[in-house]
Amino acid sequence: GAGVSQSPSNKVTEKGKDVELRCDPISGHTALYWYRQSLGQGLEFLIYFQGNSAPDKSGLPSDRFSAERTGGSVSTLTIQRTQQEDSAVYLCASSLQGRGGVGTEAFFGQGTRLTVV
Amino acid sequence: AQKVTQAQTEISVVEKEDVTLDCVYETRDTTYYLFWYKQPPSGELVFLIRRNSFDEQNEISGRYSWNFQKSTSSFNFTITASQVVDSAVYFCALLINTGFQKLVFGTGTRLLVSP
Repeated sequence: GAGVSQSPSNKVTEKGKDVELRCDPISGHTALYWYRQSLGQGLEFLIYFQGNSAPDKSGLPSDRFSAERTGGSVSTLTIQRTQQEDSAVYLCASSLQGRGGVGTEAFFGQGTRLTVV
Repeated sequence: AQKVTQAQTEISVVEKEDVTLDCVYETRDTTYYLFWYKQPPSGELVFLIRRNSFDEQNEISGRYSWNFQKSTSSFNFTITASQVVDSAVYFCALLINTGFQKLVFGTGTRLLVSP
């Protein structure tokens, strides 16, 4: 597609349920990032993929959070046993990461607004 | 460790005023990239500019200009003759290009431009 696509755009779930958030990056982009943005706050780094590998998982808040990427394309962020503090907008971004800095800029999707009730 | 500091939490100006958003970064790496993003009320993050660590030339794009100074580890963003449509949260970000990469954002500066 033309841009980064995230689904669903909104998700309301009950506390304790599992949720899956999907990200379709821009075709050909090798790098993929997940961030979390709580209301009125900055961007909290969650995880970074290079191809299908996740060399940096340091931002995942707990073992309830996991992510995978298949075929160097689509990524899924899974939150198990959701808690109210998980409520936030989850943003996905992708970049080309070409040589000499070209393509290092990340392009963001519109995010998934997760509400845990 | 990488860190980006945007000390200004919120700035309010009146239309047509010039405004500068500050960004200070920390990194031990010699190769890195700096970015500015705009997040309007709609929520989507919009890429504005990339600057690499070897290029200290300032850049101007219309009413926007960027001042990169390695000596002070700063990458400031100036909007000239601000407009109401400039109202948004602006984020500065840092990317290190050595092995695995982590794109780190500052906490953002909320700019309010009133008519």
